[in-house]
Amino acid sequence: GAGVSQSPSNKVTEKGKDVELRCDPISGHTALYWYRQRLGQGLEFLIYFQGNSAPDKSGLPSDRFSAERTGESVSTLTIQRTQQEDSAVYLCASSLVLTGELFFGEGSRLTVL
Amino acid sequence: AQSVTQLDSQVPVFEEAPVELRCNYSSSVSVYLFWYVQYPNQGLQLLLKYLSGSTLVESINGFEAEFNKSQTSFHLRKPSVHISDTAEYFCAVSSRSGYSTLTFGKGTMLLVSP
Repeated sequence: GAGVSQSPSNKVTEKGKDVELRCDPISGHTALYWYRQRLGQGLEFLIYFQGNSAPDKSGLPSDRFSAERTGESVSTLTIQRTQQEDSAVYLCASSLVLTGELFFGEGSRLTVL
Repeated sequence: AQSVTQLDSQVPVFEEAPVELRCNYSSSVSVYLFWYVQYPNQGLQLLLKYLSGSTLVESINGFEAEFNKSQTSFHLRKPSVHISDTAEYFCAVSSRSGYSTLTFGKGTMLLVSP
């Protein structure tokens, strides 16, 4: 597609439920990133994919968070047993080269009640 | 490891006034530097970047930033702002050596009023 696409754009869930957030990167971009933006905070790195492998998962805040990428394309971020502190905008970005020029989606806003 | 400090969380300014948004970074290795902008209800977009060469880089909408290695800074400036420049601005850094995630500052909200 023309840009990075994320779905859903908004998700409201109850504490304890699992959620899945999807990211469709720009076609041909081998690198894919997930960031989290909580209210009043900067962007917090979660995980990085190069192709289908994730060489850097250092930002995942707990084992409730996981992500996968298939076919060097779509990625899914899964949050199990959601907590209120998981409420945030989850941003996906993709890039072609390692010089940090990331192209961001518009984000998935997650609200945990 | 690297970090980015944006000391000002909010900068209010009148239209047509000059503005400077401050960014300082910390890194043990050489870096690439970026400014991203997030307009209301939109995703982040790259505004400008320093990769190599001239330490002064410019964007298409009149912003400029200068890489100052001795002061480890990459401040963003515009001589005359417009209402449409109202947005959140994020400074970011990545390492030149091999793979590196992009580390962001906490952002500065630029509020331009008439």
